[in-house]
Amino acid sequence: EDQVTQSPEALRLQEGESSSLNCSYTVSGLRGLFWYRQDPGKGPEFLFTLYSAGEEKEKERLKATLTKKESFLHITAPKPEDSATYLCAVQHQPQGGSEKLVFGKGTKLTVNP
Amino acid sequence: DSGVTQTPKHLITATGQRVTLRCSPRSGDLSVYWYQQSLDQGLQFLIQYYNGEERAKGNILERFSAQQFPDLHSELNLSSLELGDSALYFCASSTGRYGYGYTFGSGTRLTVV
Repeated sequence: EDQVTQSPEALRLQEGESSSLNCSYTVSGLRGLFWYRQDPGKGPEFLFTLYSAGEEKEKERLKATLTKKESFLHITAPKPEDSATYLCAVQHQPQGGSEKLVFGKGTKLTVNP
Repeated sequence: DSGVTQTPKHLITATGQRVTLRCSPRSGDLSVYWYQQSLDQGLQFLIQYYNGEERAKGNILERFSAQQFPDLHSELNLSSLELGDSALYFCASSTGRYGYGYTFGSGTRLTVV
């Protein structure tokens, strides 16, 4: 069964304490991996798309990397405004099937001042 | 403002009732996707329309249906509502037939009492 697993489920950091979030996936026909940020009661906000192993993308304090089996979202010197739930999604097309975007359950990040 | 408009923002209704959620995609986007987000399940893909035609189906119940109109707005109809249907319902849009670069709306919070 196609799966996208995010860990940890929740993470508490002190302001300035760098860390990484993990997204592992088991799908066939990977077309792309997406990272989104979601604030409470709001829709997911697009952060990055990664297409192939070895690819990296950066935006401010966030850096996303991709291997063949997982992706990491590295957060460097986080600030309280980085507190949110970070969602990983995998776009794939299984053989004989239609294209799907499958989301993980997210990592809830809290950054304390 | 993401450019994807969802109405209403909140909806409270009784079990057994029927409701309609509306989504206007971002200008120029031809694909519309519907997702359900509940606390324990995360974001679950329901259905996709591309330029008026159903493109892909996910875990959509038979009590639920959707359509996309010639002006590209979409409606999600939920009938015979149950308590377990209470959730956030998100609409997303993208330019192409395949969903690179999804943009999400701010969601409709449905509460079934």
